[in-house]
Amino acid sequence: AQSVTQPDIHITVSEGASLELRCNYSYGATPYLFWYVQSPGQGLQLLLKYFSGDTLVQGIKGFEAEFKRSQSSFNLRKPSVHWSDAAEYFCAVGAAAGNKLTFGGGTRVLVKP
Amino acid sequence: DTGVSQDPRHKITKRGQNVTFRCDPISEHNRLYWYRQTLGQGPEFLTYFQNEAQLEKSRLLSDRFSAERPKGSFSTLEIQRTEQGDSAMYLCASNRYTEAFFGQGTRLTVV
Repeated sequence: AQSVTQPDIHITVSEGASLELRCNYSYGATPYLFWYVQSPGQGLQLLLKYFSGDTLVQGIKGFEAEFKRSQSSFNLRKPSVHWSDAAEYFCAVGAAAGNKLTFGGGTRVLVKP
Repeated sequence: DTGVSQDPRHKITKRGQNVTFRCDPISEHNRLYWYRQTLGQGPEFLTYFQNEAQLEKSRLLSDRFSAERPKGSFSTLEIQRTEQGDSAMYLCASNRYTEAFFGQGTRLTVV
């Protein structure tokens, strides 16, 4: 069975500082990995995805993520955080492109002025 | 492309009542998913349709839950005899090939 762990429940970061959100997955085969962002009371918006190829993937809003098979990780990063990045971030894994997703518990990001 | 639409956005119901939610996927998306998200948690998979066929149901989907997707277009999720534990955000997603597009969800509160 696949699972996703996001070790940090909350992260507070100053505006302009860098951000890294951790994600560890458990899956027996090649994973399809995703990061979604959710603003309060809203649905989920896809930030980026990894299926294969280059292990550093670029997404929207200046986010990037790096797939490390040896560490079963898919960490999300942003070099300089904006106040609008305050939201909840979810890492997810799927068995194949377009399949159902298993989500982590999420990391809530607070941005200090 | 108007995105995935869910209706209603909010529903408050008394325990024991039945409720029905609707999801309109992006047109031509043949796959449709329902997820449930409780406060402070990530979404959990409930069920999946490919066109009109319901291909998978989670153990979370008790007998009180039923979902349909007639004609492979919109989908409905019905909860019978609601319980307080059913209070959650119900998310619908659709896709055709790769990534899923999510609706804004229906927030259910059972009082």
